[in-house]
Amino acid sequence: DTAVSQTPKYLVTQMGNDKSIKCEQNLGHDTMYWYKQDSKKFLKIMFSYNNKELIINETVPNRFSPKSPDKAHLNLHINSLELGDSAVYFCASSPRAQGTNEQYFGPGTRLTVT
Amino acid sequence: AQSVTQPDIHITVSEGASLELRCNYSYGATPYLFWYVQSPGQGLQLLLKYFSGDTLVQGIKGFEAEFKRSQSSFNLRKPSVHWSDAAEYFCAVGAQAGTALIFGKGTTLSVSS
Repeated sequence: DTAVSQTPKYLVTQMGNDKSIKCEQNLGHDTMYWYKQDSKKFLKIMFSYNNKELIINETVPNRFSPKSPDKAHLNLHINSLELGDSAVYFCASSPRAQGTNEQYFGPGTRLTVT
Repeated sequence: AQSVTQPDIHITVSEGASLELRCNYSYGATPYLFWYVQSPGQGLQLLLKYFSGDTLVQGIKGFEAEFKRSQSSFNLRKPSVHWSDAAEYFCAVGAQAGTALIFGKGTTLSVSS
Protein backbone atom coordinates (compact mmCIF):
# COMPACT_ATOMS: atom_id res chain seq x y z
CA ASP A 1 0.00 0.00 0.00
CA THR A 2 2.76 2.41 -1.03
CA ALA A 3 1.61 6.03 -0.77
CA VAL A 4 4.13 7.91 -2.91
CA SER A 5 6.37 5.84 -5.13
CA GLN A 6 9.26 6.79 -7.38
CA THR A 7 11.16 4.93 -10.05
CA PRO A 8 13.97 4.32 -10.35
CA LYS A 9 15.46 4.43 -6.87
CA TYR A 10 18.98 4.74 -8.25
CA LEU A 11 20.03 6.24 -11.56
CA VAL A 12 23.62 6.36 -12.77
CA THR A 13 24.25 7.99 -16.12
CA GLN A 14 26.80 9.94 -18.10
CA MET A 15 26.96 13.63 -18.78
CA GLY A 16 24.93 14.72 -21.76
CA ASN A 17 22.33 11.97 -21.46
CA ASP A 18 18.59 12.50 -21.05
CA LYS A 19 16.76 10.71 -18.24
CA SER A 20 13.35 10.59 -16.60
CA ILE A 21 12.15 9.93 -13.07
CA LYS A 22 8.59 8.83 -12.48
CA CYS A 23 6.37 9.50 -9.49
CA GLU A 24 2.97 8.15 -8.58
CA GLN A 25 0.76 8.71 -5.55
CA ASN A 26 -2.26 6.65 -4.53
CA LEU A 27 -3.42 9.00 -1.77
CA GLY A 28 -5.95 10.84 -3.90
CA HIS A 29 -4.06 14.11 -3.39
CA ASP A 30 -4.45 17.09 -5.69
CA THR A 31 -0.97 18.55 -5.53
CA MET A 32 2.41 17.03 -6.30
CA TYR A 33 5.92 18.39 -5.94
CA TRP A 34 9.52 17.77 -6.90
CA TYR A 35 12.25 18.64 -4.40
CA LYS A 36 16.00 18.37 -4.84
CA GLN A 37 18.28 17.34 -1.97
CA ASP A 38 21.89 18.28 -2.55
CA SER A 39 25.03 16.67 -1.21
CA LYS A 40 24.72 18.67 2.02
CA LYS A 41 21.20 17.30 2.46
CA PHE A 42 19.57 20.67 1.82
CA LEU A 43 16.06 20.31 0.39
CA LYS A 44 14.68 22.80 -2.07
CA ILE A 45 11.48 22.95 -4.09
CA MET A 46 11.75 22.65 -7.84
CA PHE A 47 8.18 22.36 -9.14
CA SER A 48 4.64 21.73 -8.04
CA TYR A 49 1.50 20.79 -9.92
CA ASN A 50 -2.13 20.99 -8.88
CA ASN A 51 -4.54 18.89 -10.92
CA LYS A 52 -2.06 18.77 -13.81
CA GLU A 53 -1.50 22.54 -13.73
CA LEU A 54 1.97 23.92 -12.98
CA ILE A 55 1.78 26.23 -9.98
CA ILE A 56 5.37 26.49 -8.74
CA ASN A 57 8.36 26.74 -11.03
CA GLU A 58 11.45 27.76 -9.11
CA THR A 59 14.66 28.94 -10.68
CA VAL A 60 15.60 25.66 -12.26
CA PRO A 61 17.48 25.20 -15.54
CA ASN A 62 15.10 24.64 -18.42
CA ARG A 63 16.80 21.29 -18.98
CA PHE A 64 14.41 20.12 -16.26
CA SER A 65 10.85 19.62 -17.46
CA PRO A 66 8.07 18.24 -15.30
CA LYS A 67 5.05 16.54 -16.82
CA SER A 68 1.82 15.58 -15.12
CA PRO A 69 -0.36 13.28 -17.24
CA ASP A 70 -2.96 13.13 -14.47
CA LYS A 71 -3.18 14.25 -10.87
CA ALA A 72 -1.75 10.97 -9.57
CA HIS A 73 1.45 11.18 -11.61
CA LEU A 74 4.25 13.70 -11.86
CA ASN A 75 7.32 12.86 -13.90
CA LEU A 76 10.59 14.73 -14.16
CA HIS A 77 12.57 14.72 -17.39
CA ILE A 78 16.12 16.02 -17.45
CA ASN A 79 17.94 16.81 -20.68
CA SER A 80 21.67 17.08 -21.22
CA LEU A 81 22.60 15.95 -17.74
CA GLU A 82 25.45 17.73 -15.98
CA LEU A 83 27.68 16.72 -13.07
CA GLY A 84 25.91 19.28 -10.88
CA ASP A 85 22.59 17.51 -11.35
CA SER A 86 23.81 14.70 -9.10
CA ALA A 87 21.47 14.74 -6.12
CA VAL A 88 18.54 12.97 -4.55
CA TYR A 89 15.22 13.94 -6.08
CA PHE A 90 12.10 13.60 -3.96
CA CYS A 91 8.54 13.57 -5.12
CA ALA A 92 5.82 14.61 -2.66
CA SER A 93 2.09 15.09 -2.60
CA SER A 94 -0.40 17.00 -0.46
CA PRO A 95 -4.19 17.13 -0.14
CA ARG A 96 -4.71 20.70 -1.27
CA ALA A 97 -8.45 20.54 -0.93
CA GLN A 98 -8.16 20.21 2.85
CA GLY A 99 -6.36 23.52 3.17
CA THR A 100 -3.44 22.13 5.09
CA ASN A 101 -0.03 21.59 3.63
CA GLU A 102 1.25 18.34 5.03
CA GLN A 103 3.31 16.78 2.32
CA TYR A 104 4.05 13.10 1.95
CA PHE A 105 7.32 12.16 0.38
CA GLY A 106 8.43 9.32 -1.81
CA PRO A 107 11.58 7.31 -1.12
CA GLY A 108 13.72 9.45 -3.40
CA THR A 109 15.75 8.84 -6.55
CA ARG A 110 19.49 9.12 -6.19
CA LEU A 111 20.86 10.46 -9.47
CA THR A 112 24.57 10.18 -10.12
CA VAL A 113 25.99 11.82 -13.20
CA THR A 114 29.50 10.71 -14.21
CA ALA B 1 12.82 36.54 3.70
CA GLN B 2 11.29 33.20 4.58
CA SER B 3 13.72 30.87 6.27
CA VAL B 4 14.15 28.07 8.76
CA THR B 5 17.16 27.80 11.03
CA GLN B 6 18.24 24.66 12.78
CA PRO B 7 21.18 25.86 14.89
CA ASP B 8 22.55 22.41 15.71
CA ILE B 9 24.18 20.58 12.83
CA HIS B 10 24.96 17.45 14.82
CA ILE B 11 23.80 16.27 18.24
CA THR B 12 24.81 13.14 20.13
CA VAL B 13 22.72 11.87 23.00
CA SER B 14 22.91 8.76 25.09
CA GLU B 15 20.26 6.13 24.68
CA GLY B 16 17.53 6.78 27.21
CA ALA B 17 18.39 10.45 27.59
CA SER B 18 16.04 13.25 26.64
CA LEU B 19 16.31 15.13 23.38
CA GLU B 20 15.51 18.61 22.18
CA LEU B 21 16.15 19.75 18.62
CA ARG B 22 15.84 23.46 17.96
CA CYS B 23 14.06 25.16 15.10
CA ASN B 24 13.52 28.87 14.46
CA TYR B 25 11.61 30.25 11.53
CA SER B 26 11.06 33.53 9.74
CA TYR B 27 7.79 33.63 7.86
CA GLY B 28 5.51 36.50 6.89
CA ALA B 29 2.20 34.68 6.98
CA THR B 30 0.69 32.41 9.60
CA PRO B 31 2.97 29.42 9.36
CA TYR B 32 2.25 25.76 9.13
CA LEU B 33 5.13 23.95 10.85
CA PHE B 34 6.44 20.46 10.39
CA TRP B 35 9.13 18.09 11.55
CA TYR B 36 10.32 15.35 9.23
CA VAL B 37 12.78 12.52 9.87
CA GLN B 38 15.04 10.95 7.28
CA SER B 39 16.78 7.68 8.05
CA PRO B 40 19.90 6.86 6.01
CA GLY B 41 18.99 6.13 2.40
CA GLN B 42 15.31 6.69 3.05
CA GLY B 43 12.68 9.25 2.22
CA LEU B 44 11.24 11.83 4.58
CA GLN B 45 8.67 10.75 7.11
CA LEU B 46 6.34 13.27 8.69
CA LEU B 47 6.79 13.23 12.48
CA LEU B 48 4.31 15.93 13.45
CA LYS B 49 2.68 19.13 12.32
CA TYR B 50 1.27 22.33 13.74
CA PHE B 51 -1.47 24.32 12.07
CA SER B 52 -3.35 26.03 14.87
CA GLY B 53 -4.77 25.48 18.34
CA ASP B 54 -2.86 23.77 21.14
CA THR B 55 0.75 24.82 20.85
CA LEU B 56 2.05 21.47 22.12
CA VAL B 57 1.59 18.83 19.44
CA GLN B 58 2.14 15.13 19.65
CA GLY B 59 3.57 13.09 16.84
CA ILE B 60 4.59 9.60 15.99
CA LYS B 61 7.36 7.61 17.69
CA GLY B 62 6.90 9.47 20.98
CA PHE B 63 7.95 12.87 19.66
CA GLU B 64 6.34 16.17 20.56
CA ALA B 65 6.95 19.77 19.58
CA GLU B 66 6.01 23.11 21.05
CA PHE B 67 5.14 26.18 19.00
CA LYS B 68 6.19 29.47 20.59
CA ARG B 69 5.05 32.39 18.47
CA SER B 70 6.91 34.98 20.55
CA GLN B 71 10.19 33.17 19.93
CA SER B 72 9.38 32.04 16.38
CA SER B 73 10.37 28.56 17.46
CA PHE B 74 9.09 25.04 17.00
CA ASN B 75 11.40 22.77 19.00
CA LEU B 76 11.17 19.00 18.83
CA ARG B 77 11.44 16.92 21.99
CA LYS B 78 11.49 13.33 23.08
CA PRO B 79 11.76 12.24 26.72
CA SER B 80 13.78 9.07 26.10
CA VAL B 81 15.77 8.46 22.95
CA HIS B 82 16.14 5.01 21.39
CA TRP B 83 19.01 3.90 19.20
CA SER B 84 16.60 3.67 16.27
CA ASP B 85 16.01 7.44 16.50
CA ALA B 86 19.43 8.10 14.97
CA ALA B 87 18.63 9.95 11.75
CA GLU B 88 18.48 13.34 10.10
CA TYR B 89 15.74 15.66 11.35
CA PHE B 90 14.31 18.48 9.29
CA CYS B 91 12.13 21.35 10.41
CA ALA B 92 9.96 22.91 7.70
CA VAL B 93 7.56 25.81 7.35
CA GLY B 94 4.85 26.41 4.79
CA ALA B 95 1.73 28.37 4.07
CA GLN B 96 -1.58 27.18 2.71
CA ALA B 97 -1.91 23.94 0.87
CA GLY B 98 -0.20 23.84 -2.49
CA THR B 99 2.73 26.01 -1.53
CA ALA B 100 6.30 24.81 -1.16
CA LEU B 101 7.77 23.82 2.16
CA ILE B 102 10.88 25.67 3.22
CA PHE B 103 13.27 23.38 5.01
CA GLY B 104 16.01 23.93 7.52
CA LYS B 105 19.41 22.43 6.85
CA GLY B 106 18.73 19.55 9.17
CA THR B 107 20.16 18.20 12.40
CA THR B 108 21.94 14.87 12.48
CA LEU B 109 21.11 12.90 15.60
CA SER B 110 23.52 10.24 16.80
CA VAL B 111 22.63 7.95 19.70
CA SER B 112 25.36 6.50 21.86
CA SER B 113 24.97 3.39 23.98
